[in-house]
Amino acid sequence: EAAVTQSPRNKVAVTGGKVTLSCNQTNNHNNMYWYRQDTGHGLRLIHYSYGAGSTEKGDIPDGYKASRPSQENFSLILELATPSQTSVYFCASGGLDYAEQFFGPGTRLTVL
Amino acid sequence: GQQVQQSPASLVLQEGENAELQCNFSTSLNSMQWFYQRPGGSLVSLFYNPSGTKHSGRLTSTTVIKERRSSLHISSSQTTDSGTYLCAFMATGGNNKLTFGQGTVLSVIP
Repeated sequence: EAAVTQSPRNKVAVTGGKVTLSCNQTNNHNNMYWYRQDTGHGLRLIHYSYGAGSTEKGDIPDGYKASRPSQENFSLILELATPSQTSVYFCASGGLDYAEQFFGPGTRLTVL
Repeated sequence: GQQVQQSPASLVLQEGENAELQCNFSTSLNSMQWFYQRPGGSLVSLFYNPSGTKHSGRLTSTTVIKERRSSLHISSSQTTDSGTYLCAFMATGGNNKLTFGQGTVLSVIP
């Protein structure tokens, strides 16, 4: 049974539109992360969270917001989507103190 | 910034051959992971290996913290091993974020 799930799995959005990507984890982990994966850049951290109510900026936060309403859920929000945000987005969860991270199946986002 | 040098970038093996993949880290690390990814797929954690040697079937991971490097050994390769292998580390004093290498694309031909 998958411990980290993401929705939607595929999304096509229009430029300027709002997009929300959702992540749910049943690992009871405190830490959650949003990464994007692009050819030539590998995986890069967008936002992360240490627990419910907390969000922190990662390495490439511009154009993205995050929300952590509960231990289990972590959302990534694109208020004004741009074509440069076309990518595959991965959510991950992990325990405290440099613990192992577990990844969701990914969301393929295309912004036209 | 923090960097990971992963080598080789690509590798083609005949089924049954062994492979050694390498990662070198630019800063001191607290832990590292090896992942496997099929095209269009998610990241499957192969090893969480902060230090020392770990085994899982035909796979062996060795991390030497002092030398800031880790290796992944694949023995008796199979066609189903084809895909991308990624290493990533968490730096000492960091925010638990993973910094990823660019990956090794492995193709195993029958």
